[in-house]
Amino acid sequence: AQSVAQPEDQVNVAEGNPLTVKCTYSVSGNPYLFWYVQYPNRGLQFLLKYITGDNLVKGSYGFEAEFNKSQTSFHLKKPSALVSDSALYFCAVREPDTGRRALTFGSGTRLQVQP
Amino acid sequence: AAGVIQSPRHLIKEKRETATLKCYPIPRHDTVYWYQQGPGQDPQFLISFYEKMQSDKGSIPDRFSAQQFSDYHSELNMSSLELGDSALYFCASSYTSRNTDTQYFGPGTRLTVL
Repeated sequence: AQSVAQPEDQVNVAEGNPLTVKCTYSVSGNPYLFWYVQYPNRGLQFLLKYITGDNLVKGSYGFEAEFNKSQTSFHLKKPSALVSDSALYFCAVREPDTGRRALTFGSGTRLQVQP
Repeated sequence: AAGVIQSPRHLIKEKRETATLKCYPIPRHDTVYWYQQGPGQDPQFLISFYEKMQSDKGSIPDRFSAQQFSDYHSELNMSSLELGDSALYFCASSYTSRNTDTQYFGPGTRLTVL
């Protein structure tokens, strides 16, 4: 069964500093990986995805993520954090070889960017 | 760009009542997914429909049912509501036929069961 782990409940970073939100996954085949962001009382907003190709994926709002197959990781990064980036971030995985399209989410990481 | 529309945005029900949640996918999207997010929890997949047929089933209780209509909108019907059903219910849609695999989420319906 596919699963996702986000080991940090919360990440604190100062505005202007680089940020990393960690995600590791477990699947039996090749993964499709996604990052979503959730602001208070809002829906999940798609940030970026890895399907195939370059391991470094660039997404919305300056975010990027690096797929590392050997470490089964897909960490979210941004070179310079903004206060407005403060939100709840979810990593998700889908295993296309199973034919299932449902996403399995991690437990979420709350990002707090201090001014 | 058009997004996924969900209605109502908020719903308050008593125990043992029924509720119907509606979802209108992004135009031309052919797949609809329903997820449940409990307080402080990650979203859990309930059920999905592709071209009006159920395509996948997750942890959906037997008290819940769903369908997708000819105009591709979907409804989640919930009966004999329990306190534990209080959650944020998300609908997502994707264009599976193009195999883009990105699910776009609606704003959610917050259901409170008293």
